[in-house]
Amino acid sequence: GEDVEQSLFLSVREGDSSVINCTYTDSSSTYLYWYKQEPGAGLQLLTYIFSNMDMKQDQRLTVLLNKKDKHLSLRIADTQTGDSAIYFCAETSNAGNNRKLIWGLGTSLAVNP
Amino acid sequence: EPEVTQTPSHQVTQMGQEVILRCVPISNHLYFYWYRQILGQKVEFLVSFYNNEISEKSEIFDDQFSVERPDGSNFTLKIRSTKLEDSAMYFCASMMTGSPYGYTFGSGTRLTVV
Repeated sequence: GEDVEQSLFLSVREGDSSVINCTYTDSSSTYLYWYKQEPGAGLQLLTYIFSNMDMKQDQRLTVLLNKKDKHLSLRIADTQTGDSAIYFCAETSNAGNNRKLIWGLGTSLAVNP
Repeated sequence: EPEVTQTPSHQVTQMGQEVILRCVPISNHLYFYWYRQILGQKVEFLVSFYNNEISEKSEIFDDQFSVERPDGSNFTLKIRSTKLEDSAMYFCASMMTGSPYGYTFGSGTRLTVV
């Protein structure tokens, strides 16, 4: 079945860039997402990329997609302490409107002052 | 900004009891979902709901589970006879028709079965 994998932890210094990586298995993925979860909060959509794109930039966030290797990354420029959270990679398992999401385990980002 | 509201935020129940988790999706959204996250595990899809019926459900969503949209605003998940392994964070989400922007999630209900 479909699977999404992420590394579990990342620690960076404030002001540095963070890169969170994700791999997926579903070759029919249409959209890939990055969600952020702060302690005690819900799942907040950060950004998404359509599968026919290679890159998407949104302010401090850059998403890179290598469809051949089924590899997705999220780069956060100038990482701040407020970016400390769990970051989830997710992909849609079908192209229809139903759009069930398949999730990674989440990468816990710790930003040190 | 519109949000998805879930109640309660935390529910403790005894094994074998029925629980109802409640969600108020965003008013102009048409697709509704329940996901769950067992501690230390991945977020798992449970069920999707569209046009007043289930459009897809996972293997987890067995006869113990049911969903309902009783009044056009609430979206509920009922677990008929809870088991210890049902302890998890349950997330409700809603989505606009055909939106590429993904879902809007609620803050979740932490269900603890004792």
